[in-house]
Amino acid sequence: EVQLVESGGGLIQPGGSLRLSCAASGFTFHSYSINWVRQAPGKGLEWLAYISSSGRTIYYADSVKGRFTIARDNAKNSLSLQMNSLRAEDTAVYYCARDPGDYIDFWGQGTLVTVSS
Amino acid sequence: QSVLTQPPSVSAAPGQRVTISCSGSSSNIASNYVSWYQQLPGTAPKVLIHDDDKRASGIADRFSASKSGTSASLGITGLQTGDEADYFCGAWDTSLSGWVFGGGTKLTVL
Repeated sequence: EVQLVESGGGLIQPGGSLRLSCAASGFTFHSYSINWVRQAPGKGLEWLAYISSSGRTIYYADSVKGRFTIARDNAKNSLSLQMNSLRAEDTAVYYCARDPGDYIDFWGQGTLVTVSS
Repeated sequence: QSVLTQPPSVSAAPGQRVTISCSGSSSNIASNYVSWYQQLPGTAPKVLIHDDDKRASGIADRFSASKSGTSASLGITGLQTGDEADYFCGAWDTSLSGWVFGGGTKLTVL
């Protein structure tokens, strides 16, 4: 069974940092690209970052470029998102999402990040 | 503001058919595959359709999709109360080098 389990969310003050993790199981992790996608309360989906299966290709949305860093450890079947300089508008549920090439075929259950003083 | 444009809401009676539109541009829908996602309340999105019109594994044939130029659409026939959810379209955007999504359409089965 394919599983993507996000963790690391919580309440953080504006300007703070947080590191999200995504633990993968049930599939050949190193064969898939992975994305981070977030959803603000009551809002739509916003793509944040992409990392290729090897980790050599990385893309970021303009909204997080320079603040967020995506990384993966294929030996540990894990993905991370380092988030710095957090703002109130970064409050959202953060999903890691598997990418076989032309679509996102599986989403984790998400982890909630709340940026507030 | 989402890159792909969807109607905020649609509604229809049980057993009826509904169509949800998704409008984009030459850098996303027109040049890359479109996928559709269903998000039931309080859950993560789930893929319904990929590669423009291919149903994902386990998805009922009541769900169908098509694409023409810079627009795509999702059709659902034989509506059931369990279909009440938010529906999102998505596509890779070649200019942005990233995924873009519609703002989502809330389906109400009256």
